[in-house]
Amino acid sequence: EVQLVESGGGLVQPGGSLRLSCAASGFTFSLYSMNWVRQAPGKGPEWVSYISSSSTTIYYADSVKGRFTISRDNAKNSLYLQMNSLRAEDTAVYYCARVHRIEVAGDYWGQGTLVTASS
Amino acid sequence: QSALTQPASVSGSPGQSITISCTGTSSDVGDYNSVSWYQQHPGKAPKLMIYDVSNRPSGISNRFSGSKSGNTASLTISGLQADDEADYYCSSYTRSRPYVFGTGTKVTVL
Repeated sequence: EVQLVESGGGLVQPGGSLRLSCAASGFTFSLYSMNWVRQAPGKGPEWVSYISSSSTTIYYADSVKGRFTISRDNAKNSLYLQMNSLRAEDTAVYYCARVHRIEVAGDYWGQGTLVTASS
Repeated sequence: QSALTQPASVSGSPGQSITISCTGTSSDVGDYNSVSWYQQHPGKAPKLMIYDVSNRPSGISNRFSGSKSGNTASLTISGLQADDEADYYCSSYTRSRPYVFGTGTKVTVL
C-alpha cells in the first residue's frame, strides 16, 4: 500500500523557517518524481515544487522561488521542503504527492501538514 | 496564470447524474489532453479520480467519467451516492508551469 506521511509543520513567525519532510513507503521511491502541493484554508490546491526521481530536474512556483528548496534522499525514502523567509500567504496545508507521469500532479497524496505563518 | 474556473457548487439527488465544468485557456486545458480530477472529503487529502481527461485509475468507480471540448473539461458523476458529497478540483498540465488547479466545486447530495 502506498503511504506518504508529511511532518514538520507548525506555527512560525513571518520571516522564519521550517523544514517539511515526507516519508514514503509501499513503492520504490527512487523511481518516482514527487511534488509538493499546498492548500490555503478554504482554497483550491496550489502546486509548489517538483523534483524528478534522481533530483536532476527541479521546478518551483514563482510564488516560492528563491525562498523554498526541494530535495530528496532516496536511501531514506524521504522528500523534503526547506521553507525560508515565510510569509503570511504561505499559510496552508502542505501535501506531498507521488508523480506517476509529469502531466498528473499526483496519483497518491499524503494527509498533509499544516504550516501557519503568523505573529 | 489564473486558476481554472469551476462552479462553486453543484447538487443532485441520489441516483441522479451531475456534471462539473472546468474552464481554462488555450495554454492549459485547451493545449493538452492532460486534465485530472480530484475528490476531497473534508479534512482529507485529494484523491485522483480521473486523469488524461477521461481515464480512471484502478479502483475508481465507472460512475465517474470525464470529457473535454476546447478549453473546457467536464466531470460527470452518474448514479449519485451519499459518499460522493465532497469538493472536486480539476487540474491541467501547462506549458508555463507544470500544473494549474481549479477553483473547486462543492458537490451536495440532496
